[in-house]
Amino acid sequence: QSALTQPASVAGSPGQSITISCTGTSSDIGGFNYVSWYRQDPGKAPKLIIYDVSHRPSGISHRFSGSKSGNTASLTISGLQPEDEGDYFCSSYTSSSTLDFGGGTKLTVL
Amino acid sequence: QITLKQSGPTLVKPTQTLTLTCTFSGVSLTTGGVGVGWIRQPPGKALEWLGVIYWDDDKWYSPSLKSRLTITKDTSKNQVILTMTNMDPVDTATYYCAHRPVTSSRRSLGFDPWGQGTQVTVSS
Repeated sequence: QSALTQPASVAGSPGQSITISCTGTSSDIGGFNYVSWYRQDPGKAPKLIIYDVSHRPSGISHRFSGSKSGNTASLTISGLQPEDEGDYFCSSYTSSSTLDFGGGTKLTVL
Repeated sequence: QITLKQSGPTLVKPTQTLTLTCTFSGVSLTTGGVGVGWIRQPPGKALEWLGVIYWDDDKWYSPSLKSRLTITKDTSKNQVILTMTNMDPVDTATYYCAHRPVTSSRRSLGFDPWGQGTQVTVSS
């Protein structure tokens, strides 16, 4: 069982916005601004899309945005596109100087 | 462009030691702030962080695996090596190494890019 809780699946139609939540505790998400988000296609390595809660690496679309409120971080994808389908994972630094991952969320574009 | 290439066995027997090598280019582990992490993913399951090594040889490990894990670096070869002892079938997973870019804090553990992954099966 993963330390961070994500919904197993979310779905949206092209053009819509969706939000994936990632819930932790005050010892991880709530205590630090070091949340990252990854997207993973089947059989591929994960790709970083958000780091430090809301920062996008170079080359990542502005349609991806991250935020945090209390012990919950969120990834929002606006203008949903079919190619956004995939698995999304969150991670957070913890007070034990370790890294926790969420269980992953499968995004389906209807 | 930073790339990471992994090498190592795809099949190990129970109780054996797993050794995986991550060879990277486009970055040096002598550069301040740089780190390389290891993450694994059992089939159909979530990612699990194993540990990270920083340019100054600081190492952080997953508490649940710390007794079995060793991460070392060879800066002359641009390599990071993961060693995991006493392998068990539950350790069957795809193992990834990944680059931790230079940031303001070593607590920032966003990994980018990742190696291609090594699918390791533990079976007799």
